[in-house]
Amino acid sequence: NAGVTQTPKFRVLKTGQSMTLLCAQDMNHEYMYWYRQDPGMGLRLIHYSVGEGTTAKGEVPDGYNVSRLKKQNFLLGLESAAPSQTSVYFCASSTGQGNQPQHFGDGTRLSIL
Amino acid sequence: GQNIDQPTEMTATEGAIVQINCTYQTSGFNGLFWYQQHAGEAPTFLSYNVLDGLEEKGRFSSFLSRSKGYSYLLLKELQMKDSASYLCAVSNDYKLSFGAGTTVTVRA
Repeated sequence: NAGVTQTPKFRVLKTGQSMTLLCAQDMNHEYMYWYRQDPGMGLRLIHYSVGEGTTAKGEVPDGYNVSRLKKQNFLLGLESAAPSQTSVYFCASSTGQGNQPQHFGDGTRLSIL
Repeated sequence: GQNIDQPTEMTATEGAIVQINCTYQTSGFNGLFWYQQHAGEAPTFLSYNVLDGLEEKGRFSSFLSRSKGYSYLLLKELQMKDSASYLCAVSNDYKLSFGAGTTVTVRA
């Protein structure tokens, strides 16, 4: 009954460091998403994937890369972290059907110093 | 472009009713979702509207008027555990655009 699992839950980085956030889902969903959530701004879509091996840019993709090598996993990479990337990152998955909701992971709280 | 507006904060008393409004102007529309998000937790699905009218789910109801670009979430018989942020999200194809969220505080 895991749903969507994100690792790590917390991380502190120095400017210029790189890291990868992992998202795994066990619901056999085709569609997966990465969002960032900042105070007063709501959830903003970074990148998304409509199936294994495919990715696409969302609203705020700059500074991030993603990969979907396996259907159940969606990775978000920061190549050279910047303080502006301090945020809470949420992964979500869905069937892609219009009336079906997205299911969210518990989030990764990332601070860039 | 996407423009989704909802009030920032609302306060209500335990047992009361609160209505959270959401107005939207978006380039496409396939439906409107409401999510609940407790502090430090993931958003969880509350309701979905695609046709005009009211959808009722226990203490929560959601209304949609597509011609007015307007929705509301109605929370009845408020409980302390309802203190949370409520997110309005418009679906366009398989992507969601979110409002900034409305923080509801329930007082005893």
